[in-house]
Amino acid sequence: EAGVTQFPSHSVIEKGQTVTLRCDPISGHDNLYWYRRVMGKEIKFLLHFVKESKQDESGMPNNRFLAERTGGTYSTLKVQPAELEDSGVYFCASSQLVAAPLHFGNGTRLTVT
Amino acid sequence: DQQVKQNSPSLSVQEGRISILNCDYTNSMFDYFLWYKKYPAEGPTFLISISSIKDKNEDGRFTVFLNKSAKHLSLHIVPSQPGDSAVYFCAASDRGSQGNLIFGKGTKLSVKP
Repeated sequence: EAGVTQFPSHSVIEKGQTVTLRCDPISGHDNLYWYRRVMGKEIKFLLHFVKESKQDESGMPNNRFLAERTGGTYSTLKVQPAELEDSGVYFCASSQLVAAPLHFGNGTRLTVT
Repeated sequence: DQQVKQNSPSLSVQEGRISILNCDYTNSMFDYFLWYKKYPAEGPTFLISISSIKDKNEDGRFTVFLNKSAKHLSLHIVPSQPGDSAVYFCAASDRGSQGNLIFGKGTKLSVKP
C-alpha cells in the first residue's frame, strides 16, 4: 500500500509569492489532515477534511491559507501571499477513522525569504 | 499554552539499556495518547497508543504507561537499539471532540553502541 505522498518536498519562495502544496492520502482514507512544524517547535494542527468537507479548520493561521480537497481525493494547501513566518515543514496525514493513528507524509519544507 | 509537554529535549542511552521518555499533559479531556517516532527528513511514524481506560500497553520492545491522576505518560524502550535513535513525539486527543492530535515538542533519543 502506497503511503501518504506530498509534493514538493522542498519549496523556496520570496515573501509575497504564492505556493501550493499537494498531498495524496492513502487510498480509501476519508480523513485527511494538515499539520505544520515551525522552527523545531511542536507539530501543530491546521485542518481536517472528511472526504471533501472541512470538518475542522480551527488551526488555520489566517485567511492567507486556503485548503481544498475536491472530489475527496488529494488535497492542496495554498499560501497566498506568503510571509516569512510561514516557513516551516508542512505535514499531511490521513486515516481511515477519526482519531485512529494518523499516517504522515514526509512533509514539504517551505522556506520564505 | 502547551497542552502536551515533553520537558526533556534530548536523551542519551547506551545500547541494550532501557530508554524512558516522558510526557505530561494538562487537558483532562484527553482520552487517547500516542507516541510517534521521527527520523530526519521523514514524517512522524506511529509507534504505539493507549486509551485512557488502560494504564499500560505493550508492543514488543515498546511499552507505554499512563498515569491519569498525574496526567503523565511514559514510553519505555527495552532493550534500546541504535536504530531507535530518532525524535519521539508524544500526542494526545479528545476523541469526544474533534479528535485532532495535540503534539509535544519532541525528545531526541540517541542510542550509543
